[in-house]
Amino acid sequence: AQSVTQLGSHVSVSEGALVLLRCNYSSSVPPYLFWYVQYPNQGLQLLLKYTSAATLVKGINGFEAEFKKSETSFHLTKPSAHMSDAAEYFCAVSVRGGKLIFGQGTELSVKP
Amino acid sequence: ETGVTQTPRHLVMGMTNKKSLKCEQHLGHNAMYWYKQSAKKPLELMFVYSLEERVENNSVPSRFSPECPNSSHLFLHLHTLQPEDSALYLCASSQEVGSTEAFFGQGTRLTVV
Repeated sequence: AQSVTQLGSHVSVSEGALVLLRCNYSSSVPPYLFWYVQYPNQGLQLLLKYTSAATLVKGINGFEAEFKKSETSFHLTKPSAHMSDAAEYFCAVSVRGGKLIFGQGTELSVKP
Repeated sequence: ETGVTQTPRHLVMGMTNKKSLKCEQHLGHNAMYWYKQSAKKPLELMFVYSLEERVENNSVPSRFSPECPNSSHLFLHLHTLQPEDSALYLCASSQEVGSTEAFFGQGTRLTVV
């Protein structure tokens, strides 16, 4: 079975500061990993995904994530936060032919 | 525009009412899903359909009844709900069950009074 844990239900950064949202996964077979973003009163939008190609994955809006098998992690980063990045972020894991399993989400606040 | 459209966006219903949520996808996908998103909880997968056949039902109470008349449409029929059923209900689709990417609708915000 797969699972994913997001460390920190709420992260607050200043505008222009580094964004780091943490995600650790558990899977007995090679996983697919995803980050989704949810703006208020909206559905989920895919930011980026890892599907066993390059371990450093670049997504939309300047976000990227690195798959580290040894650490079972898939942390999301952005060098410089923007006010428009304020949203809830979900890490998710799946395997070939399996369903998406979501973490509990991390709410990102960006202070001016 | 995500290609997955949910209606209505907001719904308030009494515990004795019957209502339905609708989801439509224009992406040619074969798999569709219902998720429940409650405050402070992970997204809960409720139902999975593949080519109009239900392939997963995650111990969802019978007061939630899904229907998939074709691969483009998915409904969630609601009756005699409880206040704790208030949540954001999200529909998603993917090319196949287990595909590497799912596309989500904007959700229906349901309030049970």
